[in-house]
Amino acid sequence: GDSVTQMEGPVTLSEEAFLTINCTYTATGYPSLFWYVQYPGEGLQLLLKATKADDKGSNKGFEATYRKETTSFHLEKGSVQVSDSAVYFCALGQAGTALIFGKGTTLSVSS
Amino acid sequence: ETGVTQSPTHLIKTRGQQVTLRCSSQSGHNTVSWYQQALGQGPQFIFQYYREEENGRGNFPPRFSGLQFPNYSSELNVNALELDDSALYLCASSLAVSGPDEQFFGPGTRLTVL
Repeated sequence: GDSVTQMEGPVTLSEEAFLTINCTYTATGYPSLFWYVQYPGEGLQLLLKATKADDKGSNKGFEATYRKETTSFHLEKGSVQVSDSAVYFCALGQAGTALIFGKGTTLSVSS
Repeated sequence: ETGVTQSPTHLIKTRGQQVTLRCSSQSGHNTVSWYQQALGQGPQFIFQYYREEENGRGNFPPRFSGLQFPNYSSELNVNALELDDSALYLCASSLAVSGPDEQFFGPGTRLTVL
């Protein structure tokens, strides 16, 4: 079945460092891909999405490109802030199915 | 526009008991999905309701059941609680039926089974 694999955490960075969180997927068909973020004590918030190959999703300085050839949707940010500390989830969804999430990657940014 | 709310925030039960968790969907959203998030894991799909009918189910036993009401509030019921049911339970509302559109998540209910 469909699945999502994302890099193990935690990821610990200094403020203004470059961030990459790797995400790869296995799916039949043509899924939409998502990154959700979960701040401490809160629910999941959609960070960005891409619905077809070569689409780039972007929001709040984060971006990810839907790469069909490598079945990847890596999350990047050029300069992280302390306020970016959270758990990040990669997910995929197809019509007729629910969202499938990766296990999450914890990001900790220090000043 | 109000967001998705869930109650209670935290709950402690003992093995074998029954529990009801509640969710109020975002205004106008006719689809609600429930997920179980175990510690250190990503959310796992339990089931989805559309216009008060179950519209899809994940790999969860029948002791997990739900209801959706005309005002788009919903409930997750779990019977015969087991220790492994301890988790954060998230509901998410959306406009689309079983599609990959954005889902709006509530803050969750943390269930501890002793």
